[in-house]
Amino acid sequence: QQKVQQSPESLIVPEGGMASLNCTSSDRNVDYFWWYRQHSGKSPKMLMSIFSNGEKEEGRFTVHLNKASLHTSLHIRDSQPSDSALYLCAASTTEGADRLTFGKGTQLIIQP
Amino acid sequence: EAAVTQSPRNKVAVTGGKVTLSCNQTNNHNNMYWYRQDTGHGLRLIHYSYGAGSTEKGDIPDGYKASRPSQENFSLILELATPSQTSVYFCASGETGFSDYTFGSGTRLLVI
Repeated sequence: QQKVQQSPESLIVPEGGMASLNCTSSDRNVDYFWWYRQHSGKSPKMLMSIFSNGEKEEGRFTVHLNKASLHTSLHIRDSQPSDSALYLCAASTTEGADRLTFGKGTQLIIQP
Repeated sequence: EAAVTQSPRNKVAVTGGKVTLSCNQTNNHNNMYWYRQDTGHGLRLIHYSYGAGSTEKGDIPDGYKASRPSQENFSLILELATPSQTSVYFCASGETGFSDYTFGSGTRLLVI
């Protein structure tokens, strides 16, 4: 059973619009979340991490975390065609801090 | 520049043959990982290592072995390759604890 679930599987957003991606863990021991971005044919690269309840903003990207519900979301404002990619959510527990479990990803397409 | 280098980039193997995928990192990270990525499954952890001489089983270790002869090198070995092992394999390195990963460029393996 996949311990990290992402939704939606795919998302089409017009250029300049807001993209919202979701991720939930079914493992109550999860404490930490990461978001990775993977362009087609390339390797995943870490985008943002969040360890505490609340919100974290870096440029056009904002991440929210609700630890009680084990839910994190990634929001991309003023979306650009270069944001088109597979977005992977990853989680780890305190005990298993060295192991990341990844979700299946959300395929984001930004339409010019 | 610190990096994770995988070889080969592409590999065609015959069923029942032995395949060795190699990974070298210059990040001086203690931890190294092997993942496979398949459509519909995301990234799944095969084996990982905490340092030279250590290997640990990940979530899908069956049919795979790993070897960590040094801090820099981590190999994934398929003793008897099967078509179900056709996939894209990613190596990654990371610091001990809550750390993001640096991924290699991937190896595309086709078993016929």
